[in-house]
Amino acid sequence: DVKVTQSSRYLVKRTGEKVFLECVQDMDHENMFWYRQDPGLGLRLIYFSYDVKMKEKGDIPEGYSVSREKKERFSLILESASTNQTSMYLCASTQIGTNEKLFFGSGTQLSVL
Amino acid sequence: KQEVTQIPAALSVPEGENLVLNCSFTDSAIYNLQWFRQDPGKGLTSLLLIQSSQREQTSGRLNASLDKSSGRSTLYIAASQPGDSATYLCAVDSHSNDYKLSFGAGTTVTVRA
Repeated sequence: DVKVTQSSRYLVKRTGEKVFLECVQDMDHENMFWYRQDPGLGLRLIYFSYDVKMKEKGDIPEGYSVSREKKERFSLILESASTNQTSMYLCASTQIGTNEKLFFGSGTQLSVL
Repeated sequence: KQEVTQIPAALSVPEGENLVLNCSFTDSAIYNLQWFRQDPGKGLTSLLLIQSSQREQTSGRLNASLDKSSGRSTLYIAASQPGDSATYLCAVDSHSNDYKLSFGAGTTVTVRA
């Protein structure tokens, strides 16, 4: 089975801190994604990556950056955390090609105080 | 821009009843549609993926239909069980070379024992 692992289930940070969310997948998938999920707003795409060292902005990239130095690992960085970044963060991956299922990690619930 | 709607937002049924979950989308030029399940505080699990050329997909007690021309998909869950209680989301892929899915807000299902 495909496994997408997010390093933390719960994280509490202070305003202004730099925050790293890590995601690792074990199925050699080319495509990786970071979403945030908020009540009433659903899932929103922050960034995605088609390959190593490659990144593309999603719908809400402001305040975030990403890093993909290795194929299996996709990191989301909050440069200076703010309270409005309190959210559930979900990482996902999929194989290249049409009609490929998307596989999600278990999520990281981030609280910024 | 693709808009995906799921109605109702919540559903409560007695155990054994069949579930019918609806998903509608505004742009019929899609490549596929996926149904996901999400348990509270967890990530999403892909249940079924229907390609644009298909009318339905089945997996065990789950059956998903797709009517592209009317912009609708329906997920049927036969003989519901308390373990089916979860939020079900549909997501549409509108671009073959771009894996940005458009998600619905989900239907939260409660199956009463």
